[in-house]
Amino acid sequence: AQRVTQPEKLLSVFKGAPVELKCNYSYSGSPELFWYVQYSRQRLQLLLRHISRESIKGFTADLNKGETSFHLKKPFAQEEDSAMYYCALMNYGGSQGNLIFGKGTKLSVKP
Amino acid sequence: NAGVTQTPKFRVLKTGQSMTLLCAQDMNHEYMYWYRQDPGMGLRLIHYSVGEGTTAKGEVPDGYNVSRLKKQNFLLGLESAAPSQTSVYFCASGRWVYEQYFGPGTRLTVT
Repeated sequence: AQRVTQPEKLLSVFKGAPVELKCNYSYSGSPELFWYVQYSRQRLQLLLRHISRESIKGFTADLNKGETSFHLKKPFAQEEDSAMYYCALMNYGGSQGNLIFGKGTKLSVKP
Repeated sequence: NAGVTQTPKFRVLKTGQSMTLLCAQDMNHEYMYWYRQDPGMGLRLIHYSVGEGTTAKGEVPDGYNVSRLKKQNFLLGLESAAPSQTSVYFCASGRWVYEQYFGPGTRLTVT
């Protein structure tokens, strides 16, 4: 079954420390994965997609098919990175596809 | 552009009452979605639409109905509200499945 697992509900780091938000997936085909972010009092928004291999706000994520993972990383966390992060998997099981979201990880960056 | 708007922002219902949540988007998007967000459960897809006049079931469709009579609007109905439907409801729209623009959410409490 298609599934996205984010093992950490809460991740707390100090400013300037590296951060890694874990995401593992289960998918029978070729996966397409994304990270969404929700800052306090803001709407959920797309952060990055694996296919574009870009760095957004200093964050990167590499798809590792062998480990079925798509971890989100940033070398030096900033206080403004504090937010709720959701990993999402494109599911083509329906007629047009839809996103399957993980349960989310709350990142707290302390000063 | 207003983006994605949701009406109402808050609502309290008694068990058995009915209500309709309205989602409107002004970006001419084909895809529209309704999610519910519960603590520790992340975002779960209720229903979605790939175009005017179409609807499809998501992960948790029971107890909800939807309609997409106009391209810009996606309505979510609760015919007989239950306490288990207490949640925050998010609407989203997108030109592509993976890039979804979210509304601000509707906080619904069923007593």
